[in-house]
Amino acid sequence: EVQLVESGGGLVQPGGSLRLSCAASGFTFSTYWMSWVRQAPGKGLEWVANIKQDGSEKNYVASVKGRFTISRDNAESSLHLQMNSLRVEDTALYYCVRGGGNFFSWGLGTLVTVSS
Amino acid sequence: DIQMTQSPSSLSASVGDRVTISCRASQSIGSSLNWYQQKPGTAPKFLISGTSSLQSGVPSRFSGSGSGTDFTLTLSSLQPEDFATYYCQQNYSNPRTFGPGTKVDLK
Repeated sequence: EVQLVESGGGLVQPGGSLRLSCAASGFTFSTYWMSWVRQAPGKGLEWVANIKQDGSEKNYVASVKGRFTISRDNAESSLHLQMNSLRVEDTALYYCVRGGGNFFSWGLGTLVTVSS
Repeated sequence: DIQMTQSPSSLSASVGDRVTISCRASQSIGSSLNWYQQKPGTAPKFLISGTSSLQSGVPSRFSGSGSGTDFTLTLSSLQPEDFATYYCQQNYSNPRTFGPGTKVDLK
């Protein structure tokens, strides 16, 4: 069974940083693109970033470019999202997702709240 | 960036009804269109890829059609477990973008 378990969310002040992690199991992690997708409270879904199987290609939505960095550790089957210079509008539930464009499986999400 | 729109934004229906949700892309995306279902307080579920390919375990009452810029999700006979919000998403290019969602609730 595919499992994606996110961690690292929390309350942070504007301008602060957080590092999200996702522990993957139940599939061969190293053979899949992986993504982060977020959902602001009461709003729709927004793709944030994706990363190729070997980490050689990374893509970001414009609003997070230069502030967020996606990475992965295939040996540990883990996905990460380093978020710097956080803004109030980054407040959302962040999902770890198997797939780079077809979003096959989703974790339960980790909540990031940016507020002073 | 490719913009996705959906109509209607919400609809009320009864069990057994046929329901149709429309999705439009701002430019041609071929058949690179996916559909997801999200129930309150849960993560989205992948329903349909490539316009019309049902994911494993998705009931056959769900179907997808379309090409280019106009797409449709059809539920042939609405069941109680189908009340949810449905999102379309283009898988043609980065940034991957979702439609704003269509909420299906009980009439």
